[in-house]
Amino acid sequence: SAVISQKPSRDICQRGTSLTIQCQVDSQVTMMFWYRQQPGQSLTLIATANQGSEATYESGFVIDKFPISRPNLTFSTLTVSNMSPEDSSIYLCSVRDNEQFFGPGTRLTVL
Amino acid sequence: AQSVAQPEDQVNVAEGNPLTVKCTYSVSGNPYLFWYVQYPNRGLQFLLKYITGDNLVKGSYGFEAEFNKSQTSFHLKKPSALVSDSALYFCAVRPLNQAGTALIFGKGTTLSVSS
Repeated sequence: SAVISQKPSRDICQRGTSLTIQCQVDSQVTMMFWYRQQPGQSLTLIATANQGSEATYESGFVIDKFPISRPNLTFSTLTVSNMSPEDSSIYLCSVRDNEQFFGPGTRLTVL
Repeated sequence: AQSVAQPEDQVNVAEGNPLTVKCTYSVSGNPYLFWYVQYPNRGLQFLLKYITGDNLVKGSYGFEAEFNKSQTSFHLKKPSALVSDSALYFCAVRPLNQAGTALIFGKGTTLSVSS
């Protein structure tokens, strides 16, 4: 099974700033996803980030707010831009490698 | 629209008793069905999946799930609950003919097992 790490594990940020979350996988995977889990809510897909192509965003999420990089098959970043308190969530990186695996998440609090 | 429903926000059960966490789905075509568990301050862990074949699927930690096509359900079960099973459980679905898509999750059910 794929092992996924995320940095940072948590952060507290001021509104209007940006945070970049890193996702590292211990094996090469084509399909990578970014999810958001708001407090007390389920997981919502932000975007699909396959290497070699532009990220595909779900309805309600836009590239200007959540730019994603996928430079190779083991790494991706998600930036949360111009943050507001409504962006306070857990952000999860996920990969499909036969099964779909999830990173430990990044807990973001925006003040 | 494709969706997953978990009708119970919380399920309470005494240790040693059987447990059921309910899940129904609405997707076009035949689905892949999954259960994940999330312990406090930890990531999601894969429990089990149904793709095809036997409707009763066995997974990790003694859990199993029963696929019922006519009722579009995929309930999670365990014959004898443990206190350590207390966690947040998510049902998820992916349409069989959409291999490139991500999982669609239910809102989650908190399982509380009392000693």
